[in-house]
Amino acid sequence: GNSVTQMEGPVTLSEEAFLTINCTYTATGYPSLFWYVQYPGEGLQLLLKATKADDKGSNKGFEATYRKETTSFHLEKGSVQVSDSAVYFCALSDQNRDDKIIFGKGTRLHILP
Amino acid sequence: DAGVTQSPTHLIKTRGQQVTLRCSPISGHKSVSWYQQVLGQGPQFIFQYYEKEERGRGNFPDRFSARQFPNYSSELNVNALLLGDSALYLCASSLELRREQYFGPGTRLTVT
Repeated sequence: GNSVTQMEGPVTLSEEAFLTINCTYTATGYPSLFWYVQYPGEGLQLLLKATKADDKGSNKGFEATYRKETTSFHLEKGSVQVSDSAVYFCALSDQNRDDKIIFGKGTRLHILP
Repeated sequence: DAGVTQSPTHLIKTRGQQVTLRCSPISGHKSVSWYQQVLGQGPQFIFQYYEKEERGRGNFPDRFSARQFPNYSSELNVNALLLGDSALYLCASSLELRREQYFGPGTRLTVT
C-alpha cells in the first residue's frame, strides 16, 4: 500500500542555517504530495503541496519539488528562523481513489537563536 | 470565518469507558474526516463522512464509530476505551470530496 518515509528527528539547527528534511514515498497511483506543519499545542497546517511530477510547492520560504523518478519530496528552506521550530509531516493523498491522507512519522525541528 | 472547531479540548477517561468527540467544520464544508495521532507519530486516518454518509474507513476496530449530522458537524465515538486509545484526535473538513482538507486543533484524550 501507499506509504511515506521521512527522516527522523530531532533536527537542531542554528538560525539562518539551510534546512533539508528528506521524504520519500511509495504509491501505486499518482498521488498529491504535501508538507504539513504542527506548532506546539496546535493542529496541523498545510505548508505546501504539489499535485504532479516536477511541480514545486512553496510557501513562507519553504520549497519542495515532486520527483517521480526518485519518489521524493524533500523540504528545503534557505535560512531558518526560530519561529520555524515545529514538527513537520510529509504526506500523500491519492485523490483518484479517496481523500485519505497518509502521513509520515514527523520530524521535529529545533532552531537555536 | 471560523476554522474547524473541536470539543472538548482535553479529556481524561478511564479504561472501559466510552467517549464522544465533536467537530464543527468550516461553514459550507460538507466533508469531515477523523484522524488519530498517537504521541510521536503521524496522524492515522479513521473515517471520512460526506453528506452524512461514510465514504472511507481506516484500519480501526469496531469500537470506533462516527456520524455526521444534517448541519455537517460530526461526532466520533469510542467504546470500551483502552490505554492505547490515548492520542490527539484531529478533525478535518473539506468543501467537497477530493478537495483540500483543513484541520482543527484536536481533542487530546488521555485514558488511565
